[in-house]
Amino acid sequence: DAGVTQSPTHLIKTRGQQVTLRCSPKSGHDTVSWYQQALGQGPQFIFQYYEEEERQRGNFPDRFSGHQFPNYSSELNVNALLLGDSALYLCASSPPRRPDTQYFGPGTRLTVL
Amino acid sequence: DAKTTQPPSMDCAEGRAANLPCNHSTISGNEYVYWYRQIHSQGPQYIIHGLKNNETNEMASLIITEDRKSSTLILPHATLRDTAVYYCIAAGPPGTASKLTFGTGTRLQVTL
Repeated sequence: DAGVTQSPTHLIKTRGQQVTLRCSPKSGHDTVSWYQQALGQGPQFIFQYYEEEERQRGNFPDRFSGHQFPNYSSELNVNALLLGDSALYLCASSPPRRPDTQYFGPGTRLTVL
Repeated sequence: DAKTTQPPSMDCAEGRAANLPCNHSTISGNEYVYWYRQIHSQGPQYIIHGLKNNETNEMASLIITEDRKSSTLILPHATLRDTAVYYCIAAGPPGTASKLTFGTGTRLQVTL
């Protein structure tokens, strides 16, 4: 049984560009959460998707947006990239009725130059 | 979500018990204590959670004080593979909690 998968593994962009990160949840999971982890810090919650809708959002600007598809996979989009957006972006999926128990993927390392 | 406080780092000899403390003095009545860990270059991994009773699973034990203001995660026989950053999180009841608020955690180094 595959766990949570994320693509790409690494990505390099320049300031002002846009980026899309992808996540496939663990089989049987219906909820996807996204986190940003800066170097030396704990993950920071961006938002959570359930039934193709954003259910909860952290303190991130509107430049960060997402989507969940009918097969429960998800995308994170970041527009107008800033140097400070350089981080590890983590996706986590949760089983039905248990959004608190989150299974994390390996992350996508985004570098903004 | 209540704020949690953890020591920045701890060492433990392999084979010995690792006891990781967490302070959550402002935890509310319906918040649970969750523990996750993050091994280098991997995403966080769920370990255990509890409300007020002690909990045990195949990975660890969780001891919560009677006043619920602090807790201890116990790895009974630490191995080198347990070297990781351990996060203590206070969040709403299972089934309702969505956002996990990670702090900076405790970096546990297990040595030979």
